[in-house]
Amino acid sequence: AQTVTQSQPEMSVQEAETVTLSCTYDTSESDYYLFWYKQPPSRQMILVIRQEAYKQQNATENRFSVNFQKAAKSFSLKISDSQLGDAAMYFCAYRSPPYSGAGSYQLTFGKGTKLSVIP
Amino acid sequence: GAVVSQHPSWVICKSGTSVKIECRSLDFQATTMFWYRQFPKQSLMLMATSNEGSKATYEQGVEKDKFLINHASLTLSTLTVTSAHPEDSSFYICSASKDSSFFGSGTRLTVV
Repeated sequence: AQTVTQSQPEMSVQEAETVTLSCTYDTSESDYYLFWYKQPPSRQMILVIRQEAYKQQNATENRFSVNFQKAAKSFSLKISDSQLGDAAMYFCAYRSPPYSGAGSYQLTFGKGTKLSVIP
Repeated sequence: GAVVSQHPSWVICKSGTSVKIECRSLDFQATTMFWYRQFPKQSLMLMATSNEGSKATYEQGVEKDKFLINHASLTLSTLTVTSAHPEDSSFYICSASKDSSFFGSGTRLTVV
C-alpha cells in the first residue's frame, strides 16, 4: 500500500516571500501521479498542481512549482511571491495510474500542512 | 478544471432521520466517484468508492447499511446517511475523477 507523509503540520511565510512544503511517499509502483491540493477555510478542495511520475520535468503552475525527486520519493511544493489568499491547508496526494485497475483513481492523502501567510 | 457539484452544502437533521447528499459531475462522465469524511483539522478519510452500475466498495470500518451509496448514472452519485446520530455529524466531501480528481464543495451535516 502507498503512504504519503507530510512532516510539517504548520508553516508560515511572509507575504511576497517563498515557501516550500514537503511531501514524501512510499510506493512500489513505477508509474503514478502526484498532486497538491489546497483547502482554504471554505473547505473546498482545489487542485493546485499535478505531476506524472514518468515526466522528468517538474510541473509548474504560475507561482506554484514542484520539486519531484523520483528516486528519493519526494514531492515538495514551492509557492513563490506568497499572497494572503494562499493561506490554507495543503494536502499532498498519490494516485496509481489509470490502467492499474479498480482502485486506480483512488487518492492517498498526507495529513496536510497548514500554511499561514503573514502580512 | 472540471466541475463537481455537491448538495446540500449544509444540513441539520434530527437524530433518527435520514439525509441524502448528492454529488454531480457537471461537465464530464465519471464511472467512479469517491466519498470522504473529514474531521476538524484532519485529512480526508475515504469512506467508499462509488461505481456506476455496481455496488459501492466500502473502506474497512464504514457501515454500508448506514451510509448507502447509489451511483445511478455517469454523472450522479448519492450518499444517504440513514438513521443519523449525533456522532455522524461531520463534513462529507465527494470527488469524481477525469485526468485528475475534482471535488465537490462538501456538506456539513449536523445531527441534533
